[in-house]
Amino acid sequence: GENVEQHPSTLSVQEGDSAVIKCTYSDSASNYFPWYKQELGKRPQLIIDIRSNVGEKKDQRIAVTLNKTAKHFSLHITETQPEDSAVYFCAARAGGFQKLVFGTGTRLLVSP
Amino acid sequence: NAGVTQTPKFQVLKTGQSMTLQCAQDMNHEYMSWYRQDPGMGLRLIHYSVGAGITDQGEVPNGYNVSRSTTEDFPLRLLSAAPSQTSVYFCASSYSGTGEEQFFGPGTRLTVL
Repeated sequence: GENVEQHPSTLSVQEGDSAVIKCTYSDSASNYFPWYKQELGKRPQLIIDIRSNVGEKKDQRIAVTLNKTAKHFSLHITETQPEDSAVYFCAARAGGFQKLVFGTGTRLLVSP
Repeated sequence: NAGVTQTPKFQVLKTGQSMTLQCAQDMNHEYMSWYRQDPGMGLRLIHYSVGAGITDQGEVPNGYNVSRSTTEDFPLRLLSAAPSQTSVYFCASSYSGTGEEQFFGPGTRLTVL
């Protein structure tokens, strides 16, 4: 089955810096790659997603890139702010419906 | 719309006890899932349902049962609780299975002593 690896597990940046989180997946048939943000004690919430027919997608300060050949995708956050501090999860959809396989998460800390 | 709701928010069980975690959604979503979240392990799929009357196993189904008698409700049953089932449980739903946003419930924090 699908396996998703996520790095780094923790990431500390200064406010205003950029942050990059990387994920690799194993199943070449995966075609949907969402990113979720989870604040402390809260539920995961979708922040951006990308499908396999697109190489890059942007939404304000957030962007995701996908390299199907290498089977990896990345989340880029520019001009980080303290409110970006949270745990971020990548995921890949492995066949059929909604069988999302999640990475183990990255704890991002943005210091003022 | 209330979205995805879960009850209870917190629960403490003794080893061997059984209980049901409730999940409901009012968005007329066909697809519902249960995940457990453990430190350092992300979200792991327990069971999922593609519609009323249809369920299937996910990555970690042992020790859990589900049923889907209505579109709105998707309860998760712990048959005989074990300390290894101490976790935070999230229910999620989405409109279809073609790769759309999953909406998560607020979670249930379960401790098994």
